[in-house]
Amino acid sequence: KAGVTQTPRYLIKTRGQQVTLSCSPISGHRSVSWYQQTPGQGLQFLFEYFSETQRNKGNFPGRFSGRQFSNSRSEMNVSTLELGDSALYLCASSFIPLGGDTEAFFGQGTRLTVV
Amino acid sequence: AQKVTQAQTEISVVEKEDVTLDCVYETRDTTYYLFWYKQPPSGELVFLIRRNSFDEQNEISGRYSWNFQKSTSSFNFTITASQVVDSAVYFCALSSYNQGGKLIFGQGTELSVKP
Repeated sequence: KAGVTQTPRYLIKTRGQQVTLSCSPISGHRSVSWYQQTPGQGLQFLFEYFSETQRNKGNFPGRFSGRQFSNSRSEMNVSTLELGDSALYLCASSFIPLGGDTEAFFGQGTRLTVV
Repeated sequence: AQKVTQAQTEISVVEKEDVTLDCVYETRDTTYYLFWYKQPPSGELVFLIRRNSFDEQNEISGRYSWNFQKSTSSFNFTITASQVVDSAVYFCALSSYNQGGKLIFGQGTELSVKP
């Protein structure tokens, strides 16, 4: 059974640009959530999608957005990149939304560097 | 508010020593789930265990064991006879229905096992 796949693995962007990250969950999983990991703030929740609907959003500016497709694949977009957006972005896949009786499996992450 | 505290930022042990990683959580929810993840240098968060709030049985899996005590709001993780391959950052996390589909992570404990 394939795991969670995140693409690309590494990205270098310049300030002001926008970026799109992709996450393919485990087959059969319908919930995808996104996290930002930085040395200073640790792992912070960005948003969660279930059946193409955003169910919850973390405390991030509107420059961070996402969506989920009918095949459960998800994308997140960051517009007008800032240096502080440099981070490891991790995607988690679960059968049902977290908070329910389910495990969550993570991808290898996308490491974004903003220069 | 929900919170997870991992007071140990870094731990260094010599191979074959036993080591315990502490995790203390705060929640007002009666139904919740606790997780442990391992993050090796590659960046992926590797799922280790999930425990629900109604199951206080300790769990043992090979060299790993977990001690869940609701009375002290703790969910500690012990590695017996540590090995160099155990070197990683370990995260404890919490989820509950009332918090929506997200994991709340502790700050992580970096474990270094020296040969």
